[in-house]
Amino acid sequence: QVQLQESGPGLVKPSQTLSLTCTVSGGSISSGDYFWSWIRQQPGKGLEWIGYIYYSGRTYDNPSLKSRVTLSVDTSKNQFSLKLSSVTAADTAVYYCARADYSSSSSRHDDWGQGTLVTVSS
Amino acid sequence: QSVLTQPPSVSGAPGQRVTISCTGSSSNIGGGYDVHWYQQFPGTAPKLLIYGNRNRPSGVPDRFSGSKSGTSASLAITGLQAEDEADYYCQSYDSRSSGSEVFGGGTKLTVL
Repeated sequence: QVQLQESGPGLVKPSQTLSLTCTVSGGSISSGDYFWSWIRQQPGKGLEWIGYIYYSGRTYDNPSLKSRVTLSVDTSKNQFSLKLSSVTAADTAVYYCARADYSSSSSRHDDWGQGTLVTVSS
Repeated sequence: QSVLTQPPSVSGAPGQRVTISCTGSSSNIGGGYDVHWYQQFPGTAPKLLIYGNRNRPSGVPDRFSGSKSGTSASLAITGLQAEDEADYYCQSYDSRSSGSEVFGGGTKLTVL
């Protein structure tokens, strides 16, 4: 079981870019056995998959976010990151990073960070 | 509107059996994609409860079970306990557009 920890600003202004980093410990991002995911949860709402990245840098993201998502990975630091551009109040949410096992036809998220609340407000 | 449809709430008395449904379509569950279930307590991260339709990770009691048929999946909880009161989410993959992991809208389980 790995540990994941999100970090980044808790307050972002509208139209700016939200940036978060997830630090992985207890396992290597470069192991190649997993995708590394971002998932968010708006206040009082359900879970929304944002996207995931492989250690090679190959990314997959949610089409509903209309290309506002940029995912990156830094294997030397065992970290992966999320950038979400042109944010609005609707992007206010708890953002989770998670490890995704892709050994089945849909990826299961077996380890999660504790989540970090990002508020979009001027 | 979630791609996977769950009832907003279910309830049951201690010791009873409850089921939570997750209804999809031919582009996700019905297309053969696996379903996973998560349990979430207020203020905490979700926890994987069932994976690959019916498998339990180590440490999950066998009171929890999953099944899948056609375009739907179900989570069953037997011998309901007060500590089971939580939100439950299903997740699968949807092949429409360029593909996406998708979650159900979540179901709040209340233990009466």
